[in-house]
Amino acid sequence: SQELEQSPQSLIVQEGKNLTINCTSSKTLYGLYWYKQKYGEGLIFLMMLQKGGEEKSHEKITAKLDEKKQQSSLHITASQPSHAGIYLCGAYGGTASKLTFGTGTRLQVTL
Amino acid sequence: DTAVSQTPKYLVTQMGNDKSIKCEQNLGHDTMYWYKQDSKKFLKIMFSYNNKELIINETVPNRFSPKSPDKAHLNLHINSLELGDSAVYFCASSYSGGDPYEQYFGPGTRLTVT
Repeated sequence: SQELEQSPQSLIVQEGKNLTINCTSSKTLYGLYWYKQKYGEGLIFLMMLQKGGEEKSHEKITAKLDEKKQQSSLHITASQPSHAGIYLCGAYGGTASKLTFGTGTRLQVTL
Repeated sequence: DTAVSQTPKYLVTQMGNDKSIKCEQNLGHDTMYWYKQDSKKFLKIMFSYNNKELIINETVPNRFSPKSPDKAHLNLHINSLELGDSAVYFCASSYSGGDPYEQYFGPGTRLTVT
């Protein structure tokens, strides 16, 4: 079955600093999804990557999928307190509609 | 204009009780899901329904029974609650004609079994 490992597990950064979260798959990814969960709330869809080498940006968040499609990174530039939350990567494991999630990365942004 | 809503948001109950969590989506989606997030924040799919038909049923105890009266609703009934059922349960929906993995999540229901 598809397994997704995220690193780091938790991250504390000072406001204004850049950071990167990684998501590594045990199998080739056929679609990689990034979600954000604000503490105590639901999940918000951020981005979806499908092609090897693909890169997408939204505001200050950039996600990349490597050429081999087994690793994705999420980069936040000039972090803000609003970026705090849990970031989850998700991937299609080969079964229709079955989205498997990574282990999650808890991000705190200090002033 | 809530997209995916769940009720209740918090549920505290005793072991052995039976409880239900309701989920409704007003996005016109045809696929709905239940996820369980454990204490370590690991999110795992439990069930998935497409047009009221069960399509994914992960290894979940029989005490958990989803019910989809129509495409916009997917309820989760839990019998004989156990301590290990304490978790946050998320409902989600998507449209199978679009990107099925762009799922929209509800705010979650925090279930505490005492």
